[in-house]
Amino acid sequence: GAGVSQSPSNKVTEKGKDVELRCDPISGHTALYWYRQSLGQGLEFLIYFQGNSAPDKSGLPSDRFSAERTGGSVSTLTIQRTQQEDSAVYLCASSLRSSGLTYEQYFGPGTRLTVT
Amino acid sequence: AQSVTQLDSHVSVSEGTPVLLRCNYSSSYSPSLFWYVQHPNKGLQLLLKYTSAATLVKGINGFEAEFKKSETSFHLTKPSAHMSDAAEYFCVVSRGQAGTALIFGKGTTLSVSS
Repeated sequence: GAGVSQSPSNKVTEKGKDVELRCDPISGHTALYWYRQSLGQGLEFLIYFQGNSAPDKSGLPSDRFSAERTGGSVSTLTIQRTQQEDSAVYLCASSLRSSGLTYEQYFGPGTRLTVT
Repeated sequence: AQSVTQLDSHVSVSEGTPVLLRCNYSSSYSPSLFWYVQHPNKGLQLLLKYTSAATLVKGINGFEAEFKKSETSFHLTKPSAHMSDAAEYFCVVSRGQAGTALIFGKGTTLSVSS
């Protein structure tokens, strides 16, 4: 079946502009995660959605970052007033999720964001 | 807090020789541990996972890892390296006891020479 998809695959933007990154999780997966992969910081967690629960936003680096998940499926990560340090690969993952159990997270190919 | 430390940033082996990628973890409870692989310009792929069942975990492509609580280690091994194993490997711990987000190590780049 189809895996996690992300769009766009590459995004170049000017400093100060807003960007939106999209993630389509695997159908039926109730949990969705955003991570960021950069040379300086490695792979770091940003935000986590599980069903209708309030998202875990504890990994967001600043209030310029926000994310939403509509209808329990597609998610959009928005970065406002982009800065050069936001340049990174943004990865989305999804998994089945049940209380007390840890399921495999399936990762998308990522969106490479370059802020000039 | 949970964390993982990958002890080598780069490992080089010859094709056909054993592979050892070292990982130590820190967790205040019994952790869920994973190894992920990332080939150049490809997405992250799960190699194997430990979730408090058998301490010796077998994964894909001949890789395995052993959970050693006394040593707080979860080293990744393979008896015989193949050229296609060249990639970046991440040791990962689940962030919470119920398993939510993942905490990644800094990664180990594996090079395989012929």
